[in-house]
Amino acid sequence: RKEVEQDPGPFNVPEGATVAFNCTYSNSASQSFFWYRQDCRKEPKLLMSVYSSGNEDGRFTAQLNRASQYISLLIRDSKLSDSATYLCVVPVPQGDMRFGAGTRLTVKP
Amino acid sequence: IAGITQAPTSQILAAGRRMTLRCTQDMRHNAMYWYRQDLGLGLRLIHYSNTAGTTGKGEVPDGYSVSRANTDDFPLTLASAVPSQTSVYFCASSDTPQAWEGYTFGSGTRLTVV
Repeated sequence: RKEVEQDPGPFNVPEGATVAFNCTYSNSASQSFFWYRQDCRKEPKLLMSVYSSGNEDGRFTAQLNRASQYISLLIRDSKLSDSATYLCVVPVPQGDMRFGAGTRLTVKP
Repeated sequence: IAGITQAPTSQILAAGRRMTLRCTQDMRHNAMYWYRQDLGLGLRLIHYSNTAGTTGKGEVPDGYSVSRANTDDFPLTLASAVPSQTSVYFCASSDTPQAWEGYTFGSGTRLTVV
């Protein structure tokens, strides 16, 4: 099992839609998790961090299920500007982070 | 500069040549990292440094070396480039090695080895 797995997509949704991505991880000792957003040919940028059961920031909600070892990202009322690749990031015992390969989202008019 | 600066932005390099990718941060972050990003594989850690004067190997260190002479700079050197090192390279930093607030990334260096 990969350390971090994401559905690569692509997810193609209309403006205003609600979309959810899942990410599974293998290291049960991980404590904090992150979602990053990456635009085409750009650097990843931190979107949200998740330390406990979940976190909400405006239209974005991240949830953590430790028992099943997955993290989800929910985007409500999708905007065209939400089109990007979303990376799930999990700390590992070695002290660094493992990045998922990303889920690509395209929001269409 | 604000954040992390990487140079060059892109480079085409002949196989067998030596090259150093530069990374400088002005946030006084203790920890710095080098990742490569390849299609379908996500970001993979090459080398890291938890503090000035120390370095460590990541997932894919072979063919690369780093140094951390001071807090701000973390250059990545390819001693003898090979085509499989064609990739986008990102430098990142965090306030502490635990990275409770995540990483800040540079804008990347796109390297093509021919």
